[in-house]
Amino acid sequence: GENVEQHPSTLSVQEGDSAVIKCTYSDSASNYFPWYKQELGKGPQLIIDIRSNVGEKKDQRIAVTLNKTAKHFSLHITETQPEDSAVYFCAASSTGLDSNYQLIWGAGTKLIIKP
Amino acid sequence: EAQVTQNPRYLITVTGKKLTVTCSQNMNHEYMSWYRQDPGLGLRQIYYSMNVEVTDKGDVPEGYKVSRKEKRNFPLILESPSPNQTSLYFCASSLSRTGTGELFFGEGSRLTVL
Repeated sequence: GENVEQHPSTLSVQEGDSAVIKCTYSDSASNYFPWYKQELGKGPQLIIDIRSNVGEKKDQRIAVTLNKTAKHFSLHITETQPEDSAVYFCAASSTGLDSNYQLIWGAGTKLIIKP
Repeated sequence: EAQVTQNPRYLITVTGKKLTVTCSQNMNHEYMSWYRQDPGLGLRQIYYSMNVEVTDKGDVPEGYKVSRKEKRNFPLILESPSPNQTSLYFCASSLSRTGTGELFFGEGSRLTVL
């Protein structure tokens, strides 16, 4: 079955710098890759997602890139701000005929923005 | 306001005492799911439902039951809780029937089993 590995587990960056979180997946049939942000005491919230027919997607300061050949995808946050401090989760799922469609999640990255 | 509501938010119980965590969504979503979150393990799916009266096991279903008698509610039942079920639980729903679209999460239910 699918396995998603996420690195690093903790990332500390200076405010204003960029942050990159990477995930690798094992199932070549996976074709949907969302990223969720979890603030302290809250449930995760979708921040961006990408499907396998696209290599990159941007939304203001965040972007996601997908390399299907290497089976990895990354979250990029530019010009980090204190409110970016949170736990970030990547996930992957397949919508193929033999799939149950369910998301498999990475273990999470705690992002700390230093003032 | 569109939301997923879980209750209780915090619960301390003892081994073997049956409990139910309720989950309700007001977005008319077909899909609902339960997850548990443990440090270093991310989110692991317990059960999911793609429609009323349709439920399927996730990755860690042992020790849990669910039901989907109406579209808006998806309760999680622990018939005989054990300490290894101490965790943070999240309910989620999605407009996508298969769950491969945006998931809306509740605020979580922190369960401690002594």
